Amino acid sequence: EDKVVQSPLSLVVHEGDTVTLNCSYEVTNFRSLLWYKQEKKAPTFLFMLTSSGIEKKSGRLSSILDKKELSSILNITATQTGDSAIYLCAVPGGGTSYGKLTFGQGTILTVHP
Amino acid sequence: NAGVTQTPKFQVLKTGQSMTLQCAQDMNHEYMSWYRQDPGMGLRLIHYSVGAGITDQGEVPNGYNVSRSTTEDFPLRLLSAAPSQTSVYFCASSYIMVRGRTEAFFGQGTRLTVV
Repeated sequence: EDKVVQSPLSLVVHEGDTVTLNCSYEVTNFRSLLWYKQEKKAPTFLFMLTSSGIEKKSGRLSSILDKKELSSILNITATQTGDSAIYLCAVPGGGTSYGKLTFGQGTILTVHP
Repeated sequence: NAGVTQTPKFQVLKTGQSMTLQCAQDMNHEYMSWYRQDPGMGLRLIHYSVGAGITDQGEVPNGYNVSRSTTEDFPLRLLSAAPSQTSVYFCASSYIMVRGRTEAFFGQGTRLTVV
């Protein structure tokens, strides 16, 4: 059974701080790892990391995949109050279960002014 | 650009009542899924479908039924609502890119309270 574990479960910082969120996974056939940001409603897509693309960057957000350690980190630099959200990582299933995502518990990030 | 449309947005049920959460997507995606989200537990998969006529159970299927008669629609039925089913429900659709890459698109969620 696929498993995804995120840490920390919650984090409180002040604007301008840098944060690192962790995601570790156990999957039978790794294909990709997805990061989502969830504010008040539905999760919105941030990054997809695959075996052939182990680092992604978008503005102040960046993510790295460590295939050896079976983990990924999401970094946010110079945090802003708008970064406050739940950050979720997920892995798709193998075989014919591509559409079946296994999510971690999420990290609740709170950024104070 | 409708994407994934879920209805209703909010619902209050009495214990024992039944209801159907609707989900429709207009992106012609093969895969559709239902998740529930409870505090501190991320999103947990209830049921999913890899195409019309094909469904399978996820991590927490008990008390829920699904069917997929068309590519577009994937309704979730609560047979006899229980307080433990109080949660936020998300429908998602996804497609497979090359080399097994995928991305899921989510509906806006249904907040269900069972009293």
